[in-house]
Amino acid sequence: QLQLQESGPGLVKPSETLSLTCTVSGGSISNYYWGWIRQPPGKGLEWIGNIYYTGSTYYNPSLKSRVTISVDTSKNQFSLKLSSVTAADTAVYYCACAAKSDLGLFDYWGQGTLVTVSS
Amino acid sequence: DIVMTQSPDSLAVSLGERATINCKSSQSVLYSSNNKNYLAWFQQKPGQPPKLLIYWASTRESGVPDRFSGSGSGTDFTLTISSLQTEDVAVYYCQQYYSTPFTFGPGTKVDIK
Repeated sequence: QLQLQESGPGLVKPSETLSLTCTVSGGSISNYYWGWIRQPPGKGLEWIGNIYYTGSTYYNPSLKSRVTISVDTSKNQFSLKLSSVTAADTAVYYCACAAKSDLGLFDYWGQGTLVTVSS
Repeated sequence: DIVMTQSPDSLAVSLGERATINCKSSQSVLYSSNNKNYLAWFQQKPGQPPKLLIYWASTRESGVPDRFSGSGSGTDFTLTISSLQTEDVAVYYCQQYYSTPFTFGPGTKVDIK
């Protein structure tokens, strides 16, 4: 049973870079697609991007200029960096796995971590 | 981008009664080569991550009670809870995974009447 856990700062200053890591347990990251999805407080879900263990990435065009997703197979982790953040980036950030091998079908999710952008 | 819409925004149903949620995509999510609809349904309870209920529009995820069912094809889809239970109070989202960027509907809040 795959388990995912997000980690990283809960508070980021405007214009700085948000950095989060997702640690995978119960299975190898060297399978499947891995993704980040976010949810502003009280609002809906927004897909940020995916990565395959080979390093192939897929980004939401609305965020593409600011997003980098990377994978570290030796640590069974993948990471998100979002640059030049503003208050609009305040959200719960989820990492997720598309274990059924369809790029966007997320069947395992982390618990989520709230990131607040504020000075 | 494929825009997902849902109706109603919220609904209240008596315990044991049927709840029906509709989802519409701005373009077809039916892939002709495999005749599969790239449409999923999620349930989200407060403070929890979304939970996958249905994929391929009508395939129930392992462990999901059979009172949950999905139907539809192309651009119009429905999630039905045949007999609402207390634990079904949640927000329900549809999502298309046909093409990037993957997009979610705005959600439908289900409550007990």
